[in-house]
Amino acid sequence: DIVLTQSPDSLAVSLGERATINCKSSQSVFYSHNNNNYLAWYQHKPGQPPKLLIYWASTRDSGVPDRFSGSGSGTDFTLTISNLQAEDVAVYYCQHYYGTPSFGQGTKLEI
Amino acid sequence: QVQLQESGPGLVKPSETLSLTCDVSGASVTSSNWWTWVRQRPGEGLEYIGEIYKAGRTPKTDYSPSLKSRITISVDESKNQFSLKMTSVTAADTALYYCARGSGHSSGFYYDSWGQGTLVTVSS
Repeated sequence: DIVLTQSPDSLAVSLGERATINCKSSQSVFYSHNNNNYLAWYQHKPGQPPKLLIYWASTRDSGVPDRFSGSGSGTDFTLTISNLQAEDVAVYYCQHYYGTPSFGQGTKLEI
Repeated sequence: QVQLQESGPGLVKPSETLSLTCDVSGASVTSSNWWTWVRQRPGEGLEYIGEIYKAGRTPKTDYSPSLKSRITISVDESKNQFSLKMTSVTAADTALYYCARGSGHSSGFYYDSWGQGTLVTVSS
């Protein structure tokens, strides 16, 4: 089973600054046959369902502000939130879908 | 626009079976999507439960290894809904249960639509 480990568990960033969340996979989620990394990022706010931000490691979902960007390949991935806004306070999860899916433990982002 | 809505009893007794349904509107459960259950236990993160794919004659399922022995996910095409059954529940199964739609290609499906979630408490 693939295990995803996020770091840090929590972080506080000032408004307008940049937040960086890392996700490390216990094995590669890159599929060479189609050159894709099977990794997504979600934003989860209290009282709401999770929201898809990024898929295929770096593709923003429709309507997601370009302040959110995903990068990385193989086993190491990063979600970067630039120009942090108050509404970005949430827990962020990475998730792989290379075989049976699983989620990282989550990273709590605060201002 | 696809919408998903979970329903089911909010309280289940220990050792009994938890049954939840997800009503889908704006999409067909026989489309090329996976239909998924995810839960969040109190104070914890998201946990994948399992999913089903019904775009074809024979449905395909995938279950979390840790829950596989206790869960069954099925589809009801006539009602355009899918369901979760979890047997022998304990307090550890108390959680907010979400249904979601998996979209993608090449055997890679991410969850682009989610229900609001339904809280299930296991208690006598």
